[in-house]
Amino acid sequence: QVHLVQSGAEVKKPGSSVKVSCRTDGGSFSSYAISWVRQAPGLGLEWMGGIVPIYDTPTYAQKFQGRVTITADASTTTSYMELSSLSSEDTAVYYCARDGYTQGFFYFEYWGQGSLITVSS
Amino acid sequence: EIVLTQSPDSLSLSPGERATLSCRASQSVSSRYLAWYQQKPGQAPRLLIYNAANRATGIPDRFSGSGSGTDFTLTIGRLEPEDFAVYYCQQYSTSPTFGQGTKVEIK
Repeated sequence: QVHLVQSGAEVKKPGSSVKVSCRTDGGSFSSYAISWVRQAPGLGLEWMGGIVPIYDTPTYAQKFQGRVTITADASTTTSYMELSSLSSEDTAVYYCARDGYTQGFFYFEYWGQGSLITVSS
Repeated sequence: EIVLTQSPDSLSLSPGERATLSCRASQSVSSRYLAWYQQKPGQAPRLLIYNAANRATGIPDRFSGSGSGTDFTLTIGRLEPEDFAVYYCQQYSTSPTFGQGTKVEIK
């Protein structure tokens, strides 16, 4: 059984950065992509990017290029998503999700519980 | 980027009725690389269908997916009370993108 456990809610100031963690318990870590998906209040799902740990090269959605950094640490089976230059528009629940197929970005079979990031002065 | 447009935005139905949700892509989705998710308030999305027509583990057979190219459909055969939720399609033919969602409400 695979479980993704995320870090807790945070409140950040505009202009600052946030780093969210996602630990994978169970299953194989290195071969499956971990993606980050966010959901602003009352809105839909938005893919930010992801990483296949065995390749250790992240892929980012164009919208977030230059502002997001996604990493993976196989020794702790944890992925991290860091988002910089925060504004109120970044207030959202951030989810990590593990792919259902190996070595690429496909469909998201397992999801973390979500981390609420609030950006407010 | 492939843009996915779902219709309708919302659907009001009674338990026991059939629900038909549509997802249209701005360009062809190769290899039928399309998934459907269900999301309830305060919860993470749950995978229902992948590769356009394959049910995920543990998903009841009242959920079925079909389609290819640019037009895809999620059908819920007979709505159960727990099926009232928001449904999203997602393509993975190119960098993943999601539709805007369809809310299935109780009539």
